[in-house]
Order: sequence, then C-alpha cells, then structure tokens
Amino acid sequence: GQNIDQPTEMTATEGAIVQINCTYQTSGFNGLFWYQQHAGEAPTFLSYNVLDGLEEKGRFSSFLSRSKGYSYLLLKELQMKDSASYLCAALDQTGANNLFFGTGTRLTVIP
Amino acid sequence: DVKVTQSSRYLVKRTGEKVFLECVQDMDHENMFWYRQDPGLGLRLIYFSYDVKMKEKGDIPEGYSVSREKKERFSLILESASTNQTSMYLCATLTSSYEQYFGPGTRLTVT
Repeated sequence: GQNIDQPTEMTATEGAIVQINCTYQTSGFNGLFWYQQHAGEAPTFLSYNVLDGLEEKGRFSSFLSRSKGYSYLLLKELQMKDSASYLCAALDQTGANNLFFGTGTRLTVIP
Repeated sequence: DVKVTQSSRYLVKRTGEKVFLECVQDMDHENMFWYRQDPGLGLRLIYFSYDVKMKEKGDIPEGYSVSREKKERFSLILESASTNQTSMYLCATLTSSYEQYFGPGTRLTVT
C-alpha cells in the first residue's frame, strides 16, 4: 500500500527559513513531488526529486533520501505570499504512473 | 505553456442527476488523472488513464466512471450524483519528465 505523511499546519515568520517534512511508503517508488496550492486554486508544480540529494530552485529547495523514505521542502527568505498549502506526492510506477498525495501542510507566514 | 482546462469552475446538480466533468489538455500528454480534494483528506485519486481508451481505478472509484476516447480529453462521469460527491474535482496531466499540471478545478455541489 501507499502512505504519505506530512504535518498538518506550520507557522513561520516573514524572512525566516522553514522546512516541511514528508515521509512516504510506496511499493514502486520513482520520485517525490512538491506542489504549492493557494486557497481556492489548483496545485502548482514546485519540484520533482528522483535521486538522493538536494535540488535548489531559487528560494525553494527540495531534498530526498530514498533509503529513509523521507523528503523535505525548504523555503528561504519567507514572504507573505508563501502562505499556502504544500503538498507532497510520491510517484508509484507499479503498473502505470500514479501519484499518491499527502494531505498537505498549511503554512502560515506571519509578519 | 501547458494548458489543462476543465469545462466548468462551479457546478450545482441535484441528487440522482448524471454529471459530466470534462478535461482537455493541449500538449499530447499520455497520462491524465481525476482527483477530488476535500478538507482534511487531501487529493484522492479517482481514476487515471495512460492512453486512449485505457483507464485504471484509483483509490476511490466508486460512484464514478471515466471516458477517454481521444488523447486530449478525459471525462469524469457521475452516474447518479449524491451529496457525498460534493467536492472540488481536479484534472491533471503528467509529462514524460514527470511534471504534473493541474486544471483550474471544478467545484461541484450536489443538493
């Protein structure tokens, strides 16, 4: 079966750094996605990690450890507009490509 | 730019009605998905399709069916709508480089 876990809510201060963790269990794992979703809008793609290590993209970085079934999304220099839900999803290639999502982490950035 | 469109942003239907939700993509992606998103439950996969006329059940297919007669179009059908199908429905595609693009979503209310 599949299991994706991430914290429900987090709060951080403008200008700070925040790390959102995600653990996963899936049989045919072939990569970990992060999405950002603002209230009332569709998710937008942030990153995809398939190899172990850190991928940096501007203020956002994503890390993957396949042996630990663990990923995190790192947001630096937080801005108020970063207040959103962040969804972690594992790609399972057992049979066909299929993404399994966590319930999302609602991040609130405060002044 | 990848474009995924959904036929309606908001829809109100009565219990027992047959409901069609249409999704169209313009980038020739093979993989298409239908999710529903509910507060506290995250994104849950209803059905996905990896080619024309091919479909696979996701986590919660009961009460739904799908149709993929052409590559660009993936339809979700609620045979007899019920109030517990009130939700946000999101269509998505997956590229060969594993980027997933979502449509704007359809907020369906069944009364």
